[in-house]
Amino acid sequence: DIQMTQSPSSLSASVGDRVTITCRASQNIGKYLIWYQQKPGKAPKLLIYGASSLQSGVPSRFSGSGSGTDFTLTISSLQPEDFAPYYCQQSYSTPFTFGGGTTVEIK
Amino acid sequence: QVQLQESGPGLVKPSETLSLTCSVSGDSIRSYYWSWIRQPPGKTLEWIGYTYYSGGNTNYNPSLKSRVTISVDTSKTQFSLRLSSVSAADTAIYYCARHVGGTNGYARDAFDIWGQGTMVTVSS
Repeated sequence: DIQMTQSPSSLSASVGDRVTITCRASQNIGKYLIWYQQKPGKAPKLLIYGASSLQSGVPSRFSGSGSGTDFTLTISSLQPEDFAPYYCQQSYSTPFTFGGGTTVEIK
Repeated sequence: QVQLQESGPGLVKPSETLSLTCSVSGDSIRSYYWSWIRQPPGKTLEWIGYTYYSGGNTNYNPSLKSRVTISVDTSKTQFSLRLSSVSAADTAIYYCARHVGGTNGYARDAFDIWGQGTMVTVSS
């Protein structure tokens, strides 16, 4: 199985801050990397696929980059509704696997 | 608007079989791949497996493969999950989800539509 490692596991930030979350794959997955946001008590919401393609309806302050084994999710200017856990997922091969999550908390 | 809704018992006894159904509305169940994903309380997500309406087209997580069956009922626009010989480790929120699909390989196995999730507790 491909292991997905996210860092940090949590971070504290303020509204307006620029935030970056990292996801590392245990092997080369090309650009088969997906990001989700999950609000408390809700199902995950698809943000980005193909490492950098924004899902329809997702605000442009979210962006993704990377290829191979190292990827990042950036929120350019944190908004109140962005405080939540974020998960990466690889879709390069089955079993599809997720990172451990990064929780963005209010400072 | 596509909607998914999970249903099934919220409490299952150890060693018994967990059975859940996902009802699909607003779109054809024949047009997409469909997955089950679970999330133990406070933990990350685990992909269980996927199915396609075409018979026999399933793929399971090897960690669960010996205990899992996912099937599609096209007449009822539903797909189902059966997980046998459950233990406390199977306690989780279970989600059904739709694969994006399409011709973009990078998007194909992203999950764009999710059910609300159903909590299943394994306990005697």
